[in-house]
Amino acid sequence: AQSVTQLDSHVSVSEGTPVLLRCNYSSSYSPSLFWYVQHPNKGLQLLLKYTSAATLVKGINGFEAEFKKSETSFHLTKPSAHMSDAAEYFCVVSPYNQGGKLIFGQGTELSVKP
Amino acid sequence: DGGITQSPKYLFRKEGQNVTLSCEQNLNHDAMYWYRQDPGQGLRLIYYSQIVNDFQKGDIAEGYSVSREKKESFPLTVTSAQKNPTAFYLCASSPGGTGDQPQHFGDGTRLSIL
Repeated sequence: AQSVTQLDSHVSVSEGTPVLLRCNYSSSYSPSLFWYVQHPNKGLQLLLKYTSAATLVKGINGFEAEFKKSETSFHLTKPSAHMSDAAEYFCVVSPYNQGGKLIFGQGTELSVKP
Repeated sequence: DGGITQSPKYLFRKEGQNVTLSCEQNLNHDAMYWYRQDPGQGLRLIYYSQIVNDFQKGDIAEGYSVSREKKESFPLTVTSAQKNPTAFYLCASSPGGTGDQPQHFGDGTRLSIL
């Protein structure tokens, strides 16, 4: 069965320091992987996606993620946090041949301190 | 601008009442989805539709119903059979149900019980 585990429910960083949000997945076949961000009372916005091309994926707002098949991980990073990055982040798997259905992680809340 | 419009933003339901949440998209996407989000949890799939006049149950379809009479519209009815309807409901769409294309989300409807 496919699943997604976000290893931290809450991460707190200081403005200007690096961000690391961890995600492990389980999938029988090569899945598509996504990171979404959600600000309070808003919908989800796509940050980046991996679909079996380059393993290092660059997204919007300076975020990037690296697909590591051997570790079944897809961690999200950003070199320098900004106050506007404070939000909920979801790691998402789209299993192969499942009609576009998505499997969501539980989410990681990112806090950014001044 | 193309996008997904959900209405209303806030909705209140009385005991024994059915309520309908609206979702309209002008992205010309074939596939549409309804999710439920509870605090501290990821999104759970209620129903999805890959083409007009066809839809499938997701993981938590009990107490909900949908229709897909037009490509642009995918309304969700929360029936009186849904005993715990208080949640944040998100509608999404994608070009097709192949899984490698990201879903685009509306800004959600927050449903509460009076």
